[in-house]
Amino acid sequence: NAGVTQTPKFQVLKTGQSMTLQCAQDMNHNSMYWYRQDPGMGLRLIYYSASEGTTDKGEVPNGYNVSRLNKREFSLRLESAAPSQTSVYFCASSALAGGLSNTGELFFGEGSRLTVL
Amino acid sequence: QKEVEQNSGPLSVPEGAIASLNCTYSDRGSQSFFWYRQYSGKSPELIMSIYSNGDKEDGRFTAQLNKASQYVSLLIRDSQPSDSATYLCASGGYQKVTFGIGTKLQVIP
Repeated sequence: NAGVTQTPKFQVLKTGQSMTLQCAQDMNHNSMYWYRQDPGMGLRLIYYSASEGTTDKGEVPNGYNVSRLNKREFSLRLESAAPSQTSVYFCASSALAGGLSNTGELFFGEGSRLTVL
Repeated sequence: QKEVEQNSGPLSVPEGAIASLNCTYSDRGSQSFFWYRQYSGKSPELIMSIYSNGDKEDGRFTAQLNKASQYVSLLIRDSQPSDSATYLCASGGYQKVTFGIGTKLQVIP
């Protein structure tokens, strides 16, 4: 059982390049999330998808777009990468649909370390 | 002000001691609270969930919630060097989860 799988694990981009981070979960979870983690800032929510077919902005959505391709997959796209987007990105999933009190039981992928030069 | 506040540490305790990690939150509408453990270079892993006032025990871990004071804590009894990690406090609200910056715990052998 793979859980939450993210690709790529490492990526170096030049300013202005674009890329897509892929995330897939095999736990039949309804909700999926993208977080970024920076030193001293903790985990910050970029976008989330409470159920298949819906996406919503989180705390730091600027410069990113997402696609909930199907129930399993949730991708994060950087259209024009900037050095400020250098970070570790985590995808996570949750069993329950949004709005329920225990939405916070998240399963995380291994992370994607992105460097923008 | 962040919605979930934690002291970044490091918190150093000797092996076998009780480690006490604290967290406060600002959103009174939060219904659920979580502690995640994150080893260096790894992803967060859920270790405790708590939804009602009081204590919840699981092995060496005890989570405490006081909604009136908007305070959450995690106690780790008989701390081991393998407990050395960053502990993230999180609150669950409508459709999303908010994390604190994490407290780094160092257990000294």
